[in-house]
Amino acid sequence: DAGVIQSPRHEVTEMGQEVTLRCKPISGHDYLFWYRQTMMRGLELLIYFNNNVPIDDSGMPEDRFSAKMPNASFSTLKIQPSEPRDSAVYFCASSLTDGFNQPQHFGDGTRLSIL
Amino acid sequence: AQSVTQLDSQVPVFEEAPVELRCNYSSSVSVYLFWYVQYPNQGLQLLLKYLSGSTLVKGINGFEAEFNKSQTSFHLRKPSVHISDTAEYFCAVSAAGGTSYGKLTFGQGTILTVHP
Repeated sequence: DAGVIQSPRHEVTEMGQEVTLRCKPISGHDYLFWYRQTMMRGLELLIYFNNNVPIDDSGMPEDRFSAKMPNASFSTLKIQPSEPRDSAVYFCASSLTDGFNQPQHFGDGTRLSIL
Repeated sequence: AQSVTQLDSQVPVFEEAPVELRCNYSSSVSVYLFWYVQYPNQGLQLLLKYLSGSTLVKGINGFEAEFNKSQTSFHLRKPSVHISDTAEYFCAVSAAGGTSYGKLTFGQGTILTVHP
């Protein structure tokens, strides 16, 4: 089975530009998570969705960040305008709910560098 | 809310030696517990999970962990490590129900380095 697919794998762009990260969750999974990983702050949950609806966006750092999930097979994380401090690895994960908290399956991440 | 503390940021060990990676958690409600591993330039992969039942859980690659409710700990162990176990390991906790259902809180990670 295909895992969580993220694109692009690497993104290098200049400060001020708009950045869009994409995620395709595992088919049938009804939870989708966006994380950011940095050396200083570790792994941080930014936002998560259940059945395409945002449940908790308290981890989104600023209004410059936005996330959408227009359907069950696609989500985007957008940064506009981007800043150097947004440089990090961004992960998408998905999970299935069956009454127990099922493990999250992670994509390989997008390594974002803002110059 | 839940929190996780991984007591060691780095653990160096020689090949074929045993290893223990320590994890303590804090929560006011019942929890589920997980260990994930991250290899370089990859996402996190599940090693093992504790949901209920036996407090000793076995995972992939020969790892096991023991849930200790009184100590609020979930330490990860392997009796004999290989070079290929070199990676970063994350302990994670989630609430067993309630408004935070489905949401994981991760520890800061422990880098395990296995030397030949």
